[in-house]
Amino acid sequence: GAGVSQSPRYKVAKRGQDVALRCDPISGHVSLFWYQQALGQGPEFLTYFQNEAQLDKSGLPSDRFFAERPEGSVSTLKIQRTQQEDSAVYLCASSLGGYNSPLHFGNGTRLTVT
Amino acid sequence: GIQVEQSPPDLILQEGANSTLRCNFSDSVNNLQWFHQNPWGQLINLFYIPSGTKQNGRLSATTVATERYSLLYISSSQTTDSGVYFCAVASSNYKLTFGKGTLLTVNP
Repeated sequence: GAGVSQSPRYKVAKRGQDVALRCDPISGHVSLFWYQQALGQGPEFLTYFQNEAQLDKSGLPSDRFFAERPEGSVSTLKIQRTQQEDSAVYLCASSLGGYNSPLHFGNGTRLTVT
Repeated sequence: GIQVEQSPPDLILQEGANSTLRCNFSDSVNNLQWFHQNPWGQLINLFYIPSGTKQNGRLSATTVATERYSLLYISSSQTTDSGVYFCAVASSNYKLTFGKGTLLTVNP
């Protein structure tokens, strides 16, 4: 596709459930990022992939968060045993490569944990 | 880590007016990008501009890296310009730090 695609657009989970969020980056983009955006705030970095390698996961809030990109294209962000504080918009972004390439974001997944 | 401050936090304009948004940052950067988040939440990349000046239609941006600030200039604003404008910077790697944004409302 022409842009970064994320699914689902909205997700409601009961506390304790596991969720999986999908990101399909722009074709050919080497770098893939996950960000978390709380209401009224700017996005905050979660993790970074270069191809299939996860080079930085320093922003993941806890060990309940796990991300993968096994074939260097589609990525999945998984949250285990969701908590209410996990409620946020999860944004995926991709770029051609390197740290000086423009970032292109998907529409995000709005996660609500009840 | 690097600090990013955006001003003003809120701005209300009449259609056709011009505006300047400012981004100050606390350290030298090698990556600075401006984004527009529309009312539906979509983040659109406006400029990649770690230094210098760029223009794209009614929008232009200038970054003065030595003085640690960037400006986003919107001319002849339209209602579709409404939304939140974010500045994001990185000093030595790929990890962009976002400011809190400027909420722009353009009234018809």
